[in-house]
Amino acid sequence: DAKTTQPTSMDCAEGRAANLPCNHSTISGNEYVYWYRQIHSQGPQYIIHGLKNNETNEMASLIITEDRKSSTLILPHATLRDTAVYYCIVRPQGAQKLVFGQGTRLTINP
Amino acid sequence: GAGVSQTPSNKVTEKGKYVELRCDPISGHTALYWYRQSLGQGPEFLIYFQGTGAADDSGLPNDRFFAVRPEGSVSTLKIQRTERGDSAVYLCASSPGRTDTQYFGPGTRLTVL
Repeated sequence: DAKTTQPTSMDCAEGRAANLPCNHSTISGNEYVYWYRQIHSQGPQYIIHGLKNNETNEMASLIITEDRKSSTLILPHATLRDTAVYYCIVRPQGAQKLVFGQGTRLTINP
Repeated sequence: GAGVSQTPSNKVTEKGKYVELRCDPISGHTALYWYRQSLGQGPEFLIYFQGTGAADDSGLPNDRFFAVRPEGSVSTLKIQRTERGDSAVYLCASSPGRTDTQYFGPGTRLTVL
């Protein structure tokens, strides 16, 4: 499975856009990029996923570079409730299990 | 609709005891997963069920760990002769099919004294 690299921690001001980077330079053509987040003492929450094209849903936007070696998760207007650990996961097509790394601890400051 | 539920939310046991952790997946989801999360780490895969059968149990750490899903819905993770190192949050997830998005429950925090 392709490995991902994320910053250990990030801070963002409430109301601003939070941009979380993820490097996956060894990604293969059939591997999806998934993002989950985990708020303290809760189970991981699915956010978004994509293969090649940028994706947007009610929670966030996912921007994948043309060479697919990196991606950015964008929370357009961060709130205090967005404080969590964010995991970027590369999942081969057809794979069942998710392989989590250490994630990025995002803190939204008032 | 109802999400994945797990019971109990917390379990404290003594070293050497047997424990069972229960997972109720989202209704209609055929795939079910167990993960374990140690403090400060990301979740680690344990086992995956497709229907009633364990399709991949490669993540189970040893033969003290066993899981069942007899009717293709509720699953039970069983740990025999618990050790202090088994202390962790045990997470369950389900998905409509084996390659679909996984939805997680709140987890069971197991503490072995």
